[in-house]
Formats: sequence, structure tokens, C-alpha cells
Amino acid sequence: DVKVTQSSRYLVKRTGEKVFLECVQDMDHENMFWYRQDPGLGLRLIYFSYDVKMKEKGDIPEGYSVSREKKERFSLILESASTNQTSMYLCASSLPDGKGYTFGSGTRLTVV
Amino acid sequence: DQQVKQNSPSLSVQEGRISILNCDYTNSMFDYFLWYKKYPAEGPTFLISISSIKDKNEDGRFTVFLNKSAKHLSLHIVPSQPGDSAVYFCAGTMHAGNNRKLIWGLGTSLAVNP
Repeated sequence: DVKVTQSSRYLVKRTGEKVFLECVQDMDHENMFWYRQDPGLGLRLIYFSYDVKMKEKGDIPEGYSVSREKKERFSLILESASTNQTSMYLCASSLPDGKGYTFGSGTRLTVV
Repeated sequence: DQQVKQNSPSLSVQEGRISILNCDYTNSMFDYFLWYKKYPAEGPTFLISISSIKDKNEDGRFTVFLNKSAKHLSLHIVPSQPGDSAVYFCAGTMHAGNNRKLIWGLGTSLAVNP
């Protein structure tokens, strides 16, 4: 069974902390994505990557960075967490043609 | 500019009845459409898709209809069950260089009442 695994289901961090959200996929997918989901705002794309060491800004990259050192792993970094980054964070991966677009279970991040 | 619009944030239906979730799009470059279903505290899961060259795709209780001239698609669930209560996201996809770009709607929250 193919999987996208996010390291934490729930996370509570303090304002100003550096936060790492990890995502690993076992499908040998080239493409990986980070979204956040907020009520009434749908799925908003933060960053994506089409290859190792490659990254592209999505629609809302401010306050975030990413790292893709290995094909299977895509990390989202909150450089200095703020309360408005409290959200559900979703990682996804797919083949280059978009097939097999699969999401992880999500990380519910609360910044206090 | 919302290229994929789900104008109804929520929908409530009685168990056993039909649920109809609507989605409108503005970009003629979309050549494939997807529906995903999301339960609280879980990631979205793929439900059903339709190519732009078709007008209907059916999978069990789920049917998606596409009206290209109206740039409108709809997801029908018949009969609706309480376990169908979830947020449903519509997405359009198109070529973007050597890759594909997915554009999501904001989602419709479906409640199926027993």
C-alpha cells in the first residue's frame, strides 16, 4: 500500500520557535507538495518540488521554507513560528504527469 | 482569481437521498478533473476523476458529470450514507511544462443526516 507519511499528527509549538514538519513517501514520486488547510480557505499551496534539491514557491510561501535533499523526503520549515501559522499541514506527492496524487494524514500544528 | 469554484460551502442531505456537489471552472486549459474527500484530522483521499473528453464517469454510488460548454461539473452520490459526511474538494489539472498543475476549489462540507 503506497504511503505518504507525515512525522507528527499533532504538534504544539511556541511563538518564535523553529519548526520542522517532515514528510516521507515510498512511491518513488518525483513531485512533492506542502499545503495548509484552513476553514473556508480550502487547500493552499505553500511550496512544491519536482526534483531533489529543487523547490518552487506556491501561493503562500511567506514565513516558510523547504528542503528536499532526498527524493523521498520533503521538509517544511517554519523559521519563526507565529500564531497565524496554526493550521492543518498536508504533504502530497505525485508522478510528473500528476498521476497517483496522494496526501499524507496531515499535521495539526498549534502555535501558542 | 479562483479558477475552480465550489460555491456552496456546505450541504445537508438526508440519508438515502441524492447528494449533488457542484464545481465551476474558468480555465479552458484544464483537461482532467478530480474529486477528493477529506475527513477531519485526515488527509484528502482520491474519490473519482473525469477526463475533459468525457461527460460522465461512474464508480459505484459516485458519478461525476462534466458540461464543458458551461464549464461545470457535478458529483452525484446516490444513495447518500452518513459515512459520506466529509469535505469534498474539486480540482482541475492541466499541463505545466513537463509537469501538471492542480488547482483546487475551496471545498464543500457535506453532512448526511440519519
